[in-house]
Formats: sequence, structure tokens, C-alpha cells
Amino acid sequence: DAKTTQPNSMESNEEEPVHLPCNHSTISGTDYIHWYRQLPSQGPEYVIHGLTSNVNNRMASLAIAEDRKSSTLILHRATLRDAAVYYCILRVVRGFKTIFGAGTRLFVKA
Amino acid sequence: EPEVTQTPSHQVTQMGQEVILRCVPISNHLYFYWYRQILGQKVEFLVSFYNNEISEKSEIFDDQFSVERPDGSNFTLKIRSTKLEDSAMYFCASSERQVSGANVLTFGAGSRLTVL
Repeated sequence: DAKTTQPNSMESNEEEPVHLPCNHSTISGTDYIHWYRQLPSQGPEYVIHGLTSNVNNRMASLAIAEDRKSSTLILHRATLRDAAVYYCILRVVRGFKTIFGAGTRLFVKA
Repeated sequence: EPEVTQTPSHQVTQMGQEVILRCVPISNHLYFYWYRQILGQKVEFLVSFYNNEISEKSEIFDDQFSVERPDGSNFTLKIRSTKLEDSAMYFCASSERQVSGANVLTFGAGSRLTVL
């Protein structure tokens, strides 16, 4: 399975944008890029996913590099509730498992 | 919004005892999963289940573990003889279908298992 690399932690101020990077240099042409997050004491929660084009939803935006070897999850205005571990995951075409790495722990300061 | 429901929220058991963790996936979902998370560690895949059989499992999912969909709504994880190292949070997840790599999982809130 192709791997992802994320910073261990990041810090943001409340109401400012946050850009969470992810490197996936060994991504294959049919791998989807998924982002999940895990709030304290909760199960993982789907955030967004994409294949080649940038994507927006009510939670976040996903910017995918043209060569697909990296992507960035963008939270437009961080709130205290966005403090969580954010996981960047490559979802393979074949196979039934979604594999979580260590993720990035986001701290949001008031 | 539809959700995945897990029971119990917390179970304490003695080493060697059998434990059954229960999950009610989202009603129109077809794929079901169990994950576990040992305190302070990452979320680990255990098993996926489709069409009444295991579709994929990890090396963690050994003979001590089994899964079942006993009726149209429940999905269970059984640990036959619990060990101390089975203490973890167990998450159930479900997804609507397997569409290339776009499969999105919905997770439950988890069942915390403490083995003494």
C-alpha cells in the first residue's frame, strides 16, 4: 500500500485558516486521497476525499497537487472544535480496508 | 443524520473471558468493519465483512476473534478468550458500497474494552 507522510502536530489560532499537508509520493493513478479526523474520545469521522481535482465541502477543502504526490486539507476558519487528529489516507481501488497512519494532531488556540 | 451505534460503551472483563461487542450499522450500508485503537496509538484495521463473509482481515485478527451478522441489523465482534493486550477502544464502521477507491466509512463512537 502507498504510504502517506504528515507532520506529527500543528498549531493554529482560532478563526484563522489551517493548511494540513500530506505527502504521498508513491501514490498510484487510481488511489483516492481521503481525509478523516478523530476528535478527542470519539471515533474517526470522514472529512473529504478526492482523486485529481480540488474538492470543497461544508467541512473543508482539499487541494491536490498536479502530480498528485501531495495534498493539503484546508480548514477555512479553525474553531476550538476542530482540534483533533487529522488522517490523510490513500484508498486503493481494490481491497476493503482503509489504513490509518499516525496523523497530524491539530491544536487550536483561542 | 444516520449513525453507527455501538454497545456497550464500556466493558470490563476478566482475562480469559469471552466478550461480544455489538454494532448496528447504517441500514442501507453493505460493508462492515471493525477497527481497534489501543490507548495513545493509531487506529488499526481488524476485519471487513461483506455478503455474510469476511472480505479482508489483518494479522491482528487471529483465531481469537470472530465476526457475525446474526440478523439484518446487528454486526458483532467476538473475542473468545480475552488477553490483557486486548484492552482497547473498538470501533465499528460501515459503508454504502465499494466504488473504486471512493468508499467512505462511517464510524461508531466505539466500545472501550478493559481486560483485568
